[in-house]
Amino acid sequence: GQNIDQPTEMTATEGAIVQINCTYQTSGFNGLFWYQQHAGEAPTFLSYNVLDGLEEKGRFSSFLSRSKGYSYLLLKELQMKDSASYLCAVVPNDYKLSFGAGTTVTVRA
Amino acid sequence: IAGITQAPTSQILAAGRRMTLRCTQDMRHNAMYWYRQDLGLGLRLIHYSNTAGTTGKGEVPDGYSVSRANTDDFPLTLASAVPSQTSVYFCASSDSPDRGSDTQYFGPGTRLTVL
Repeated sequence: GQNIDQPTEMTATEGAIVQINCTYQTSGFNGLFWYQQHAGEAPTFLSYNVLDGLEEKGRFSSFLSRSKGYSYLLLKELQMKDSASYLCAVVPNDYKLSFGAGTTVTVRA
Repeated sequence: IAGITQAPTSQILAAGRRMTLRCTQDMRHNAMYWYRQDLGLGLRLIHYSNTAGTTGKGEVPDGYSVSRANTDDFPLTLASAVPSQTSVYFCASSDSPDRGSDTQYFGPGTRLTVL
């Protein structure tokens, strides 16, 4: 089976930076996704990493280290609308996404 | 552009009843998926279809069946609902089922309660 771990909850202040870590042990690796999911809504795509390093996309960045089985999602200049769950998902050998349980981020004013 | 639609939005169902959750996509994607999402467990794959006419079992297929008669529709059926099937169900689709970078797009979900 696949094993994907991420913290359950994080709280941060508006304007701050938050880093959500994800560690994984899977049967093969064909990339890692981060999805955002607001309460009561569908998950939406944020980022995809398959090579080591940092991918920056506006206020959001995603990092991958394949040798360490580790990724993080960095949210900068936090806004209230960033309060949501963030899902880490790995693509193993069978190409069927395996999701972590998600990290709920609460942004306080 | 609708993307993926699911029906119903929510449903309360008596145990033992049969129920079909509907999913339709208009993106002409080859692959479609059904997940359930439970607190603390994340999204778990129930069944998938790599292309019209084919289906496969995911991580938690027991008690569920699917069919894929055409590209657009992928219904999920609970033959005899049990309380442990209370969950939020998401349908998703993607263009290519065997490409790592292929993004899955999710429907709005169906909240199902089995009493």
